[in-house]
Amino acid sequence: GENVEQHPSTLSVQEGDSAVIKCTYSDSASNYFPWYKQELGKRPQLIIDIRSNVGEKKDQRIAVTLNKTAKHFSLHITETQPEDSAVYFCAATSGNTPLVFGKGTRLSVIA
Amino acid sequence: DAGVTQSPTHLIKTRGQQVTLRCSPKSGHDTVSWYQQALGQGPQFIFQYYEEEERQRGNFPDRFSGHQFPNYSSELNVNALLLGDSALYLCASSFGPYSYEQYFGPGTRLTVT
Repeated sequence: GENVEQHPSTLSVQEGDSAVIKCTYSDSASNYFPWYKQELGKRPQLIIDIRSNVGEKKDQRIAVTLNKTAKHFSLHITETQPEDSAVYFCAATSGNTPLVFGKGTRLSVIA
Repeated sequence: DAGVTQSPTHLIKTRGQQVTLRCSPKSGHDTVSWYQQALGQGPQFIFQYYEEEERQRGNFPDRFSGHQFPNYSSELNVNALLLGDSALYLCASSFGPYSYEQYFGPGTRLTVT
């Protein structure tokens, strides 16, 4: 089955700097890669996703890149703000298989 | 438009007891998936219900069972609770079993003592 590895487990950045979180997956059949943000005590919220027919997707300060050959995808957050502090999860699925999540990255943005 | 709702919010049970958690999907959704999120970990898939049947199941013992009702709401039952069952239980809904996008509920925090 699918296995998703996520790095780093914790990340601290200064406000205004960029943050990058990386994930690798094992199943070449996976074709959908969402990123979720989970604030303390709250539900995971989908912030951006990418499908395997696209190499990059942007939404304001957030971008995701996908390298199908290397089986890795990354989340990029630019101009970080204190409200970006949360735990971020990557996940992968082929559509007819369950979402498999990474273990999460705790991002702290220091004002 | 109501999002995914779950009840109760918190629950404390004793080892060996049984528990039932409930989930109402987002309006227009017909598929419910359940996940277990241990502290400091990512959500792990338990099972998915569609058309009132368990469609897929993750690596969880038979102590974990579920049900889906005609109105698409769902229950997760856990028998013979163990300390290791303490976790946040998340419900996610989608339109159809093959839909990529899933919307999560707020979760039920289960503590087993």
